[in-house]
Amino acid sequence: EPEVTQTPSHQVTQMGQEVILRCVPISNHLYFYWYRQILGQKVEFLVSFYNNEISEKSEIFDDQFSVERPDGSNFTLKIRSTKLEDSAMYFCASSGVTSGYNEQFFGPGTRLTVL
Amino acid sequence: AQSVTQLGSHVSVSEGALVLLRCNYSSSVPPYLFWYVQYPNQGLQLLLKYTSAATLVKGINGFEAEFKKSETSFHLTKPSAHMSDAAEYFCAVSVVGEKLTFGTGTRLTIIP
Repeated sequence: EPEVTQTPSHQVTQMGQEVILRCVPISNHLYFYWYRQILGQKVEFLVSFYNNEISEKSEIFDDQFSVERPDGSNFTLKIRSTKLEDSAMYFCASSGVTSGYNEQFFGPGTRLTVL
Repeated sequence: AQSVTQLGSHVSVSEGALVLLRCNYSSSVPPYLFWYVQYPNQGLQLLLKYTSAATLVKGINGFEAEFKKSETSFHLTKPSAHMSDAAEYFCAVSVVGEKLTFGTGTRLTIIP
């Protein structure tokens, strides 16, 4: 069964450093999302991406964040200058016509730790 | 805009007892509703979804939920709790092609 994959599973970085979180959505899906979950808290929407552009972003998704689909398979989230409060689990998700676009399939997540 | 309220951040039930996790939603348009389960240090697994078909939805692991428009509710139930059901449960709402909005979650503890 097709699945969303994310790398790395765990990323440790120093405050101020740049990190890139990678996701491979399900092939032929057209909508892509990033969410984050701070430890012990709820899952929060960051950004959605469709047709090679951001379709919606939350207030969390400020100028230090960016997303890119550099090729036909990868979908990346870049944090330019990490802060301690960026420590969280980051989930990628995708949806497509096979699910009527109403079900998002989640990856296993990347745990980001900022020291 | 959509929102979800989950009543009870922690719920404890005895093994074999009924599980009832509450979710109320707010949406200006007909919503799609979801329940996800998260085991410790793991990702999100879809339990079940409501997408405007049958109002009683059956999911994996014996869980089901009923969409009640008049009550704006989508409560999750399971007739008989199992130790393996201990996890965090999230209710979420969306409209087609748009973001999921999650509730704050309910931690389910099963008492042996």
